[in-house]
Amino acid sequence: DAGVTQSPTHLIKTRGQQVTLRCSPISGHKSVSWYQQVLGQGPQFIFQYYEKEERGRGNFPDRFSARQFPNYSSELNVNALLLGDSALYLCASSYDTNTEAFFGQGTRLTVV
Amino acid sequence: RKEVEQDPGPFNVPEGATVAFNCTYSNSASQSFFWYRQDCRKEPKLLMSVYSSGNEDGRFTAQLNRASQYISLLIRDSKLSDSATYLCVVKSGGSYIPTFGRGTSLIVHP
Repeated sequence: DAGVTQSPTHLIKTRGQQVTLRCSPISGHKSVSWYQQVLGQGPQFIFQYYEKEERGRGNFPDRFSARQFPNYSSELNVNALLLGDSALYLCASSYDTNTEAFFGQGTRLTVV
Repeated sequence: RKEVEQDPGPFNVPEGATVAFNCTYSNSASQSFFWYRQDCRKEPKLLMSVYSSGNEDGRFTAQLNRASQYISLLIRDSKLSDSATYLCVVKSGGSYIPTFGRGTSLIVHP
C-alpha cells in the first residue's frame, strides 16, 4: 500500500515568490494535516483538514493557506516567501481527526 | 511554560542499556498522547500511542501520568538502530490539534 506521498521533495525559491506543496494521503484516510519543521525543533502544526473542511489552524500568518480536494489530497500554499520559511514541510494523513497520523517524507523548502 | 516540553539530550548510552525519556505537558485537558521516532532528515514515524493504563510493544514501554502531567517512554536492551530523535505528541481539547515536543536525541554506541 502506498503511504503518504508529497511533492516535490526539494524546492528552492526566492524571497517574495509563492510556492505550492502537494500531498496525497493514505488510501481511505480523510484527514490531512500540514506541519513546518525547522532544524532542531519538533514539527509545528499549520493546518488540519477533514472531509475538505478546515478543522484546525496553527499560529501561522495569513500567507499560509491550504485546501483539501474531493479525493482527499491537499495543497499548502505559501505566498510572499521569507527566508524564515525555509524548513521541512510535512504532511500527515489519518483516518479522522483523532486517530494516529502517518507522515509523508516531506518537502524541503529553501528560500534564498 | 511551553505546552509540551522534552529534554533535548542527547542521551548517550551503550548497547544493551535501558533508557527512559519524559515529556511534560501543560494542558490538563489533553486527551491523546503519542510517541514518534524521527531519524536524521527523515519524516517522523509513529512508534506507539500512549494509553491511560500504560502499554508495551516489545522493548518499548509507554506510560501516562495524568496527575503529574507527563508521559514517558522506556527503551530496554537498546540497539544501535534505536539511535534517533524521539518526539512526544499531545492532543488537547475538542479540536485535537497536536502539539509536538522538540524531541529527545538518543545515541546508542557500541
